[in-house]
Formats: sequence, structure tokens, C-alpha cells
Amino acid sequence: AQSVSQHNHHVILSEAASLELGCNYSYGGTVNLFWYVQYPGQHLQLLLKYFSGDPLVKGIKGFEAEFIKSKFSFNLRKPSVQWSDTAEYFCAVKNKAAGNKLTFGGGTRVLVKP
Amino acid sequence: EAGVAQSPRYKIIEKRQSVAFWCNPISGHATLYWYQQILGQGPKLLIQFQNNGVVDDSQLPKDRFSAERLKGVDSTLKIQPAKLEDSAVYLCASSPLGTRDVSGANVLTFGAGSRLTVL
Repeated sequence: AQSVSQHNHHVILSEAASLELGCNYSYGGTVNLFWYVQYPGQHLQLLLKYFSGDPLVKGIKGFEAEFIKSKFSFNLRKPSVQWSDTAEYFCAVKNKAAGNKLTFGGGTRVLVKP
Repeated sequence: EAGVAQSPRYKIIEKRQSVAFWCNPISGHATLYWYQQILGQGPKLLIQFQNNGVVDDSQLPKDRFSAERLKGVDSTLKIQPAKLEDSAVYLCASSPLGTRDVSGANVLTFGAGSRLTVL
């Protein structure tokens, strides 16, 4: 079965610092990759997605992610975070071999100090 | 476009009691999902419907959990009897396309969730 690993459970950083969140998945082949974000008190929202083409994907709010097939990774980055980026971030993977089921990682809580 | 509606937002019950959650997906979305999110973990798929048929319920604890989507629109998830470990947020999501494609366009839209506390 597909599994998704997010290496950091908690990240604390100051405003203007750069952010990188790791995500690795277990199964190769054709995959669709997603990052969802959950701001405090809000529901899960799509941040960005990859399904084909340029492995560097740009999402909302200045976020981007890079798909590296050889490393089974889809790391999320933002060059300069703001206090409003405080949230929980979830990586998710979907692939045909797993019945197109969307499998989530355990999430990373990010706290941005003003 | 209206989002995915869920109710109730919060529910507190004692163990061995029963509870039901309701979800109304985005209009026209064929696929509906129920996820369980335990505190500190990522969402875990419980059941997936396409229209009114079950596509995947492999992770649904069928001895106590049941779900239905009778008319292919809204859905209910029931737990009976509840256990302490069922304390979680139950998320409903919907997507416009079916499950046969791996298109990235098949993006899930989530509701706000129903938070269950079992005492």
C-alpha cells in the first residue's frame, strides 16, 4: 500500500525565514502529488498539485514544490514566510496502483513567529 | 460555488453510544469521501463513493462504522457503538470526476469536518 512520510512534525521559524517541508512516498509509477494546508480553525485547502509536466510546481501564496521522481519526493518550499503561514501542511499522493486513493502524510505543524 | 457542508460540527458522546454525521457535497460532484483524522495524524480514508456505489471501504471498521449515499448526493456516516479511539475529526470531501483516471484535475474539496469526542 502507498505510504507518505513527512519528516518534520513541527517546525518553528521567524518571519522572512525560508521554509522547506519534506515529503516522500513509497510507491513509484505514475503519481499525482498534492500539498494541502489547514490554517487554524479552517478546513483543508489545496495549496498546489502536480500531475505531469514541469516538476517544479507553483501554488498559491508563494509556495512551490519540486517533484523528484528518482527520490520519490515532493518537497514544499517558500523563500520567505509570513506569520499568516502558520498552519498544518499535509502532503498527499494518489496513484492508480493504489486504486486512485488519496493517501496523506502525517502532517507538519508550522509556527511562524512574528 | 457552495462548499462541502457537514454537520454537526462538534459532538460529544459516551462510549457505546451511537452518532451520525451528515455531509452534503458540492453540487454535481460524483465522488464523495469520508476521512478520519485523529489528532496529530493525517486524514485516513474510511470510505469512497462514486455516485451511490461504494468504491473503496477497505479501511472502514465495518463492525461499528457504516455509511450510505442513497441518492448519490448527500451521505451519512454512523458509528455504533462508539469507542474511545473513535475520537477524531470526520472529514467529508467531494470531487467532480470518477476514480478511473489519475488526472490531477480530480482534486478533492474538503468540508470543515465534524469533531467527535468519545468519553
